[in-house]
Amino acid sequence: QLRLQESGPGLVKSSETLSLTCEVSGDPINGFFWGWIRQPPGRPIEWLGYIYYKGDTTFSPSLKDRVTMSVDTSRNQFSLKLKSVTSADTATYFCVRQSGFRGMKIDVWGQGAPVSVSS
Amino acid sequence: DVQMTQSPSSLSASIGDTISITCRASESVSSYLSWFQQKPGKAPKLLIFASSALQSGVPSRFSGSGSETFFTLTITNLQPEDFATYFCQQGFTIPHTFGPGTLVDFK
Repeated sequence: QLRLQESGPGLVKSSETLSLTCEVSGDPINGFFWGWIRQPPGRPIEWLGYIYYKGDTTFSPSLKDRVTMSVDTSRNQFSLKLKSVTSADTATYFCVRQSGFRGMKIDVWGQGAPVSVSS
Repeated sequence: DVQMTQSPSSLSASIGDTISITCRASESVSSYLSWFQQKPGKAPKLLIFASSALQSGVPSRFSGSGSETFFTLTITNLQPEDFATYFCQQGFTIPHTFGPGTLVDFK
């Protein structure tokens, strides 16, 4: 059974870079889009972007200047970096698998990693 | 961005009830519409994708319909484990966007 597990610091200082990694177990990473989604407290769920297993990326326009994603197929994991964070980036971050045409189906989620941005 | 709205924002129901939640998109998303269930402290769980396709393992009391800009999630014979928050999400246009959620609680 496919499982996703986020890892990374739970506290990041304002203006620094948030870094998270998602380990994929139970299935190869090949053949799918792998995305990041966040859920800020009291605000709507926000899709950040995804990376195809071959390395092609698509980001939310509102974040594209601050976000990078990478994939390591040899280690079956993918990563998120969000630079210049502010308190507005405080959220639970989920890594997800997106399948189907243009990755329209978000069918597997990690358990979520809470991240707080401190001033 | 495509704006997703849901109604109602919350509803109270009883075991055995049939309920419906609607989701509207600010522009057409074809049938690229999914529904998720989320319980406190947990990740969302996919229920319906492509507007009406039931995700594997999801009970058949959940159903979805709609296209373009108007979609509905219906839950028949509501069970205790169905009390949760439900979100719609469009996967047609970048960025993929989510509705604000509908909380279903006990009457």
